[in-house]
Amino acid sequence: AQSVTQPDIHITVSEGASLELRCNYSYGATPYLFWYVQSPGQGLQLLLKYFSGDTLVQGIKGFEAEFKRSQSSFNLRKPSVHWSDAAEYFCAVGRSFGNEKLTFGTGTRLTIIP
Amino acid sequence: GAGVSQSPSNKVTEKGKDVELRCDPISGHTALYWYRQSLGQGLEFLIYFQGNSAPDKSGLPSDRFSAERTGGSVSTLTIQRTQQEDSAVYLCASSSSYNTGELFFGEGSRLTVL
Repeated sequence: AQSVTQPDIHITVSEGASLELRCNYSYGATPYLFWYVQSPGQGLQLLLKYFSGDTLVQGIKGFEAEFKRSQSSFNLRKPSVHWSDAAEYFCAVGRSFGNEKLTFGTGTRLTIIP
Repeated sequence: GAGVSQSPSNKVTEKGKDVELRCDPISGHTALYWYRQSLGQGLEFLIYFQGNSAPDKSGLPSDRFSAERTGGSVSTLTIQRTQQEDSAVYLCASSSSYNTGELFFGEGSRLTVL
């Protein structure tokens, strides 16, 4: 069965600093990987996704993620965070197109300090 | 609006009562998902509907939980004889086979069982 681990429950960074959120997955084949963001009082929104091809994917709001098969990782990065990036971030893994029954990690809560 | 709509947004009930949560997906989306979000637990898959196929109920935690989808559109999640451990945010999502993996989430129904 597939699984996702987000080892950091809570991360605090200063506004303007760089950010990296960790995600490790377990899946036997090539996974479909996603990052979602949940802002306070809002539903989850897709940030970016990886299916195949270039292992560095660009998403919305200036985020990017890199798929590293050798490390079973799909870490999310942003070079300079903004106060509006404060939210909960979820990594997820899926198995195939047309069946997006995703397995989510437990999330990482991001706090931004001035 | 054009997004996934869930109701009620908040529900407080007494232990042992039945509750119904409603999800209205994005028009034309063939797939519909229910997830449960508990504090510190991430998103837990409950059930998945795809077109006219039999639903994937593999995530339902007990036989007190059931869901149906009428006419391939609106879905109702029913929890019978609610328990305090059922307290959580219940999220609905929909997707289209053309979205290549993106789930569109509603804002959720927060259930509190006293």
